[in-house]
Amino acid sequence: IAGITQAPTSQILAAGRRMTLRCTQDMRHNAMYWYRQDLGLGLRLIHYSNTAGTTGKGEVPDGYSVSRANTDDFPLTLASAVPSQTSVYFCASSHLADGANVLTFGAGSRLTVL
Amino acid sequence: GQNIDQPTEMTATEGAIVQINCTYQTSGFNGLFWYQQHAGEAPTFLSYNVLDGLEEKGRFSSFLSRSKGYSYLLLKELQMKDSASYLCAVRDQDYKLSFGAGTTVTVRA
Repeated sequence: IAGITQAPTSQILAAGRRMTLRCTQDMRHNAMYWYRQDLGLGLRLIHYSNTAGTTGKGEVPDGYSVSRANTDDFPLTLASAVPSQTSVYFCASSHLADGANVLTFGAGSRLTVL
Repeated sequence: GQNIDQPTEMTATEGAIVQINCTYQTSGFNGLFWYQQHAGEAPTFLSYNVLDGLEEKGRFSSFLSRSKGYSYLLLKELQMKDSASYLCAVRDQDYKLSFGAGTTVTVRA
């Protein structure tokens, strides 16, 4: 692993199903983020975590939950998927102690809810 | 919260210069970033400004005026590979990054 790994790359699921998007980083970054990207709306922050054991809500948290049991993993769960959650989901991480706090992004997970 | 505006699309010719403007209104400014995103790929970091002025990095430069809530990204000597979406992002006091909708730049031969 080098950087951030997201899984699955792509998924189609029925409305009402539960889905977990996985995100793992090997850079020992303390902060991790989940964004969704929709055409015309750009990247919107769903949830974030500044350090293991803590999480916070972003701009569009409803319908999503996260956990941060350790430094490396930050899964995003859709408890009961709805069609409006069809999107491309990007996980990102950064090291908050760095002055620039540059985000490194995973390759994305394309989710289609029917 | 953040309100970030940038043009939707721009087209330019190979070898030319293009300037992408970004204006923002923020409740707590703690830095401005530019990211590049090629179609179907993840965003990648281009530049960072936290103080007023120009930051130059090769063919790309970024400018910030905090008093005007304004930034621009300047792309010089355009190449076909520069065709991509360019995302302006503002960081708040809690280190969260909010993104504009992005500007799609198309470089023509």
